[in-house]
Amino acid sequence: EVQLLESGGGLVQPGGSLRLSCAASGFTFGSYAMSWVRQAPGKGLEWVSAISGSGGSTYYADSVKGRFTISRDNSKNTLYLQMSSLRAEDTGVYSCAKHRVPWELLDAFDIWGLGTMVTVSS
Amino acid sequence: DIVMTQSPDSLAVSLGERATINCKSSQSVLYSSNNKNYLAWYQQKPGWPPKLLIYWASTRDSGVPDRFSGSGSGTDFTLTISNLQAEDVALYYCQQYYTTPSITFGQGTRLEIK
Repeated sequence: EVQLLESGGGLVQPGGSLRLSCAASGFTFGSYAMSWVRQAPGKGLEWVSAISGSGGSTYYADSVKGRFTISRDNSKNTLYLQMSSLRAEDTGVYSCAKHRVPWELLDAFDIWGLGTMVTVSS
Repeated sequence: DIVMTQSPDSLAVSLGERATINCKSSQSVLYSSNNKNYLAWYQQKPGWPPKLLIYWASTRDSGVPDRFSGSGSGTDFTLTISNLQAEDVALYYCQQYYTTPSITFGQGTRLEIK
């Protein structure tokens, strides 16, 4: 079964850092681009970042550029999101998502994890 | 960034009837070289992640009932749910994936039973 499982969320003070992980199983992880998407409480979906299958290309939303870093370890089937200089507006559920077709960045997301909650508050 | 605007924000439809959700993009998401619209629709139920319903504007994902259909091209798109069932109560989002690094979603449409 294809599955994504996020971890690493929690409560952090403004200005702090956090690293999220997304463990993938049931598919050839290294063949697929992956994204992080977040959802603030009671709000809609916001794409945060994407990474190619090889990890050689990374992309960020303007709202997180320079503060967040996406990476992956294909030997461990794991996606990461390193978050620093966190702000209250970064609060939300962070989910990883698999792009539908191998090697394709411009694609819909066919598998999503349940997400991990990040709360930025003093 | 391409702005995606859904309408209405919420709607209530009777069981067995048809629900129609619209999505408009601020610029075309039709890629001329392959004639594909880079537009997807998702369904999200409380406490669950989004589920892919439609991609390429009109192609149903595997296992999605055929009462869900997508249409449109360029900047105007529609998700139609025919013969509405109780389990269709959810939030629905459109998404453009025409531009990376700037994937964007609509604000969401809440569908309820009348």
